Amino acid sequence: EAQVTQNPRYLITVTGKKLTVTCSQNMNHEYMSWYRQDPGLGLRQIYYSMNVEVTDKGDVPEGYKVSRKEKRNFPLILESPSPNQTSLYFCASSKGTGATNEKLFFGSGTQLSVL
Amino acid sequence: AQSVTQLGSHVSVSEGALVLLRCNYSSSVPPYLFWYVQYPNQGLQLLLKYTSAATLVKGINGFEAEFKKSETSFHLTKPSAHMSDAAEYFCAVTLSGGYQKVTFGTGTKLQVIP
Repeated sequence: EAQVTQNPRYLITVTGKKLTVTCSQNMNHEYMSWYRQDPGLGLRQIYYSMNVEVTDKGDVPEGYKVSRKEKRNFPLILESPSPNQTSLYFCASSKGTGATNEKLFFGSGTQLSVL
Repeated sequence: AQSVTQLGSHVSVSEGALVLLRCNYSSSVPPYLFWYVQYPNQGLQLLLKYTSAATLVKGINGFEAEFKKSETSFHLTKPSAHMSDAAEYFCAVTLSGGYQKVTFGTGTKLQVIP
């Protein structure tokens, strides 16, 4: 089954403790992206990747890191989480970098709470 | 630069009534427009998309949207609401030209009253 898999589904942590949220897709998609969803603000893009070893900042990249060493994986790293990073996070992927009309496939989300 | 504005963060309709969710966009070049739906505790899934082939776009679950360039709008409609339509709906825009920058609206939560 074609899917985007995120783990963990829920995560509670404390300020300053490094964490990684994993994202994997099995559709051989070139494009992957991370979003955070906050009430009243919709989805905002954190980082995206056009292909392996190609990443770029989205609208709200501060406090986050990503890497794209393999095509299927795109982990989101919070080196020193802070309470304002408490949010619902989504990973998404799509087929091609040139076709901006391609739909995004979303993971089920990771609810992160930073105490 | 592109943006989308969704009017109404919450919309309530009676079961069987018309659903109308509003989306207005702003872009400097011809846009591609999308509607996504998010059911509780799930990720987003595509309802429909406009890619310049036809101005009236039909999607899944009986939804459709009409692209109106003169009004810079892409409103989502469904003739008769069903209880299962209760969800949050997001309008999104990308720009034609090979750059995958997706901008989402702030979302509209649809409540369907029995």
